[in-house]
Amino acid sequence: GDSVTQMEGPVTLSEEAFLTINCTYTATGYPSLFWYVQYPGEGLQLLLKATKADDKGSNKGFEATYRKETTSFHLEKGSVQVSDSAVYFCALCNQAGTALIFGKGTTLSVSS
Amino acid sequence: SQTIHQWPATLVQPVGSPLSLECTVEGTSNPNLYWYRQAAGRGLQLLFYSIGIDQISSEVPQNLSASRPQDRQFILSSKKLLLSDSGFYLCAWSVMGHNQPQHFGDGTRLSIL
Repeated sequence: GDSVTQMEGPVTLSEEAFLTINCTYTATGYPSLFWYVQYPGEGLQLLLKATKADDKGSNKGFEATYRKETTSFHLEKGSVQVSDSAVYFCALCNQAGTALIFGKGTTLSVSS
Repeated sequence: SQTIHQWPATLVQPVGSPLSLECTVEGTSNPNLYWYRQAAGRGLQLLFYSIGIDQISSEVPQNLSASRPQDRQFILSSKKLLLSDSGFYLCAWSVMGHNQPQHFGDGTRLSIL
């Protein structure tokens, strides 16, 4: 079945460091891919999305490119801030289009 | 614009007591609706989804149930809570159609004593 695998956390970085959070997926067909962010005690917020191969989603300095050949959707940011500390979830839409399948989440902690 | 409301924000219940969590969406019609549970340190588990009034699918067997009495109202219930029901419950909505993003409420923190 469809699945999403994210790198294990926590990821600990200093402010202004470069961020990469790896995400790979297994799916039938060409699902849309998403990154969500969850700040402490809150629900999930959609961060960015890509709907087809080679699409690049971007928002708030974060980027991710839909790579069909490597079935990946890695999240990157050139210079992280303390306010980026949160849990990041990679997700894809299931084949039926009825629900999202989430990775287990990666905790990012940024220190000043 | 569309908004989603969940309540209560936090809830402490004894084992064996009933449960009712409510979720409402404003600003859209015929949304798909979802209930997820997030256990501590783990990812999200889809519990129920609904594509219309009284059309609800359950993803995992459990002592929870869901109902959709109105187009934009989604209720999560239990007759008798278990300790294992503790967790963070999230409601979400999306527009109908494939590959649509979901939009989440702020969640309910449920603690069972």
